[in-house]
Amino acid sequence: GENVEQHPSTLSVQEGDSAVIKCTYSDSASNYFPWYKQELGKRPQLIIDIRSNVGEKKDQRIAVTLNKTAKHFSLHITETQPEDSAVYFCAAFARGTSYGKLTFGQGTILTVHP
Amino acid sequence: KAGVTQTPRYLIKTRGQQVTLSCSPISGHRSVSWYQQTPGQGLQFLFEYFSETQRNKGNFPGRFSGRQFSNSRSEMNVSTLELGDSALYLCASQTSGREETQYFGPGTRLLVL
Repeated sequence: GENVEQHPSTLSVQEGDSAVIKCTYSDSASNYFPWYKQELGKRPQLIIDIRSNVGEKKDQRIAVTLNKTAKHFSLHITETQPEDSAVYFCAAFARGTSYGKLTFGQGTILTVHP
Repeated sequence: KAGVTQTPRYLIKTRGQQVTLSCSPISGHRSVSWYQQTPGQGLQFLFEYFSETQRNKGNFPGRFSGRQFSNSRSEMNVSTLELGDSALYLCASQTSGREETQYFGPGTRLLVL
């Protein structure tokens, strides 16, 4: 089955710096890669996603890149703000076979210092 | 549209008891997935239901079961609770045909004593 590795497990940055979180996946059939942000005591919220026919996607300060050959994808947050502090999870999904199953990475605790 | 709702939000049970958790998906969404979240194991897939049928199941013992009703509401049941079942149980709602885009409910936090 699919296995998703996420690094780093913790990331500390100064406000205004950029943050990058990387994930690798094992199943070449995976074709959808979402990122979730989970604040303390709250539900995971979908912040951006990318499908395998696209190499990069941007949404304001957030971007995701995908390298299908190397089987890795990354989340980039620019101009970080204290409210970006949260746990970020990457996930992988193989449409057509996974039937509702997202395989998640272990999470990255991002701390943005004012 | 209202988001995904889960009840109850918090539960305290003792070992050996059973528990039933409920999830109401976003209106119009027919697929519901369940996940267990723990500090040690992270987010792990339990099962997925679509049109009252379980289509996929994760690697959990048979004590974990679920069902879905005709209105797409779903329940999961855990029998003979163990201390290790203490976790946040999340359900996710997705529209049919786009099962990959999942929206999570607030979760039910279960503590087993």
